[in-house]
Amino acid sequence: GAVVSQHPSWVICKSGTSVKIECRSLDFQATTMFWYRQFPKQSLMLMATSNEGSKATYEQGVEKDKFLINHASLTLSTLTVTSAHPEDSSFYICSALRGSYNEQFFGPGTRLTVL
Amino acid sequence: DAKTTQPNSMESNEEEPVHLPCNHSTISGTDYIHWYRQLPSQGPEYVIHGLTSNVNNRMASLAIAEDRKSSTLILHRATLRDAAVYYCILRDPRNQGAQKLVFGQGTRLTINP
Repeated sequence: GAVVSQHPSWVICKSGTSVKIECRSLDFQATTMFWYRQFPKQSLMLMATSNEGSKATYEQGVEKDKFLINHASLTLSTLTVTSAHPEDSSFYICSALRGSYNEQFFGPGTRLTVL
Repeated sequence: DAKTTQPNSMESNEEEPVHLPCNHSTISGTDYIHWYRQLPSQGPEYVIHGLTSNVNNRMASLAIAEDRKSSTLILHRATLRDAAVYYCILRDPRNQGAQKLVFGQGTRLTINP
């Protein structure tokens, strides 16, 4: 199957700082990627759809100025959590669409802890 | 995407078959039934998908009811590594606006040694 990587796999930061998470499709090009957030014992919640070369589409209730998404190439999308606060601590997961059937492949996730 | 209903949790024993049910009574004619699973502290992984006919792959089998209002994911011989949360998701691949996956609560499967 296709491979999607995320970096870093975990990060701890101080409140008020910004954190950037990378999502890469390693063996295919992805014009569309998705960012999800998952709190403990809960399901995945879609945050935004990232489209290469255009602005991301955010789900209702997700602050676009706080969660900056950049999809500058066909293999890389980044999510920047700006001015992070403890309530932003979560498991962030990306996925990428591949092929004419638009199969979706997920990254391993990034665990963010804001102190 | 149409809604799916799954039991919150199920438990089984190692090396026994597991049948994970999913109800999707409002499924449309063009919705595919997808199953993903999420192992602890990992991203979801694809398991299987189907439209009308039963499907088999190396991971599992998918049995789809004749009226398509329900389906069952079958793990033929569960191992401890199959302990995960299993998600049943409906998706119409032709709908460009519906490429995102909407995750419900899924079924948390526990495998006893």
